[in-house]
Amino acid sequence: DTAVSQTPKYLVTQMGNDKSIKCEQNLGHDTMYWYKQDSKKFLKIMFSYNNKELIINETVPNRFSPKSPDKAHLNLHINSLELGDSAVYFCASVDRTNNSPLHFGNGTRLTVT
Amino acid sequence: AQSVTQLDSQVPVFEEAPVELRCNYSSSVSVYLFWYVQYPNQGLQLLLKYLSGSTLVKGINGFEAEFNKSQTSFHLRKPSVHISDTAEYFCAVSDRNSGYALNFGKGTSLLVTP
Repeated sequence: DTAVSQTPKYLVTQMGNDKSIKCEQNLGHDTMYWYKQDSKKFLKIMFSYNNKELIINETVPNRFSPKSPDKAHLNLHINSLELGDSAVYFCASVDRTNNSPLHFGNGTRLTVT
Repeated sequence: AQSVTQLDSQVPVFEEAPVELRCNYSSSVSVYLFWYVQYPNQGLQLLLKYLSGSTLVKGINGFEAEFNKSQTSFHLRKPSVHISDTAEYFCAVSDRNSGYALNFGKGTSLLVTP
């Protein structure tokens, strides 16, 4: 069973479109994250939710909106996609109560044309 | 604020040679330190972590790292590398001030050749 699963794995879309990426974890973790990995492989945190509450909101355009319907899910919606949004987006989860390491999903490769 | 510096962006090495990938961090509070590996077109996999206790940490695939508080370093080592170790390696730090989110270095690309 996949611990942190993201869908879709690949997403190709045109500029100006709105798209969503979904993430689910079955580890019972209380905190979930979205990271962006750019073309130079640099990983940067975007958002973090703890028990459905937003706790980290880095400097990200407000076209990006995370939604956490429950603590096992953290979705990422992106409005008015731009070329610069092309990247690999990783979801991750952790149990903050026991210092466990982050578990990452396999990533969603977003290509904006 | 915390930060992570990986001093080498690329490290070429011959198969069966030893390797050290360098990582330095800065933080004003106690930190947790991690090394992750990313194989081509894949997600990130935890190699090893330092939370507390012994400063020498052993991980998967024969890797180990040593936490050096005085030098604020957490270098990754392997005594004999394989072709299959070719990948991107990321050092990361977290602390309570960051909400335990991982702050990554820019990565080191390890290329192992015959």
